Amino acid sequence: DQQVKQNSPSLSVQEGRISILNCDYTNSMFDYFLWYKKYPAEGPTFLISISSIKDKNEDGRFTVFLNKSAKHLSLHIVPSQPGDSAVYFCAASEGAGNMLTFGGGTRLMVKP
Amino acid sequence: KAGVTQTPRYLIKTRGQQVTLSCSPISGHRSVSWYQQTPGQGLQFLFEYFSETQRNKGNFPGRFSGRQFSNSRSEMNVSTLELGDSALYLCASSLGLHTGELFFGEGSRLTVL
Repeated sequence: DQQVKQNSPSLSVQEGRISILNCDYTNSMFDYFLWYKKYPAEGPTFLISISSIKDKNEDGRFTVFLNKSAKHLSLHIVPSQPGDSAVYFCAASEGAGNMLTFGGGTRLMVKP
Repeated sequence: KAGVTQTPRYLIKTRGQQVTLSCSPISGHRSVSWYQQTPGQGLQFLFEYFSETQRNKGNFPGRFSGRQFSNSRSEMNVSTLELGDSALYLCASSLGLHTGELFFGEGSRLTVL
């Protein structure tokens, strides 16, 4: 039973355009959500997070949107750059704890 | 500041053997978590240690165990290895128990033959 799902295994975007990565969750107890980026042969790197008391959080080119009623979150990258090409994981936890439930990941390819 | 260090990076074992993986967290970080990454199951939480005590445990059999030392370094052990234990084992550290933001090491890739 996957509690966090990323339904798109891959996404291809042109440099300079917007990348939108989606994530759905089923567990209503999740109240803290994070996005991680992973390059090959490296561990995941934290990108951005959002608490359930917010519906949007921005950090530079990265914005995360949370729709609690739909149990859906998305990561927007604007503008996309070739260096953004990586696998992106969304993750969720209860109470901002360190026990994270991860989605399966979306491979983003940004073409020059 | 040095990142999370995991050793060994790669290892090959045979079924029935046991393995110990080591993790040195970022200096000052007191929480260490372990995750297993496989192509089929993705990233799954194994356990978390804080102040030498296991705080949370994921849904893994008792063959998977761990410990944390007074300097926050952690080890995880898998006994009676099975083919399905082949995976990338990732260690992550954080300042405390409720930060949510984890800093991951590069992982230890275990192959069980």
